Amino acid sequence: GNSVTQMEGPVTLSEEAFLTINCTYTATGYPSLFWYVQYPGEGLQLLLKATKADDKGSNKGFEATYRKETTSFHLEKGSVQVSDSAVYFCALSAPDAGGTSYGKLTFGQGTILTVHP
Amino acid sequence: NAGVTQTPKFQVLKTGQSMTLQCAQDMNHEYMSWYRQDPGMGLRLIHYSVGAGITDQGEVPNGYNVSRSTTEDFPLRLLSAAPSQTSVYFCASSPQLLGNTEAFFGQGTRLTVV
Repeated sequence: GNSVTQMEGPVTLSEEAFLTINCTYTATGYPSLFWYVQYPGEGLQLLLKATKADDKGSNKGFEATYRKETTSFHLEKGSVQVSDSAVYFCALSAPDAGGTSYGKLTFGQGTILTVHP
Repeated sequence: NAGVTQTPKFQVLKTGQSMTLQCAQDMNHEYMSWYRQDPGMGLRLIHYSVGAGITDQGEVPNGYNVSRSTTEDFPLRLLSAAPSQTSVYFCASSPQLLGNTEAFFGQGTRLTVV
C-alpha cells in the first residue's frame, strides 16, 4: 500500500534559520506529492505540489523537489519567519490504473515547526 | 467564497450517543472525503465519495456511516460514540479531473467523547 514517512519532530528554529523537513514515500503507480500546512486552530492548506519526477513545487519561499530515484519530497526554506510556525504534512495521491485518484490522500504524521524571534 | 464548510466546530458527546458531522462544499466538486487527525498519526481516511449516491470505505471506517444524496453535502454519522473516536475530523473535496489534483479542506470539527 501507499505510505508517507516524515522526519520526527518537533522542530524548533530561530528566525532566519534554514529549514529542511524530510519526507519519503512508498506508492504504487506514479503519485503526485503535496505539502500541506496547518496553522494553529485552522484547517489544512495546500502549500505546494509536484506531479511528476524532477518537478519543483514552490510557494511562499518554500520549495520541494520530486525525487523519484530516492522516493523523496523534502521541504526546504532558506530563511524561516515566526509566522511559519505551524504543522507541516507531506502527502501523496496515487492514481488507479485509469489515472484517477478520487482525491484520496495518504499523509505523513506531521511535523510541528516552531520559530522563535 | 465559502469553499468547504464543516459544522459544528466543537462537540462533546457521551459514550453511546450518536451525532452527525455536517460537511458542505460550493465548488461543485465530485469527490468528497472525511479524515480524522490524531496526534502523531497524521490524517487517516475514513470514507470517501466519488459522486452523489456513491460512497466507499477508507482506512478507518469502523463506527462511522456516510451518505451522499447531493453533490454539495457529505455528512458523517457516528452511530454510537466511543472514547476512541475523540479526534479532529476534516472534510475535504476535490474536482473530478483525470490525473492527480489537490484536496480542499474544511476548518475541522474537534470531537471529544467522554
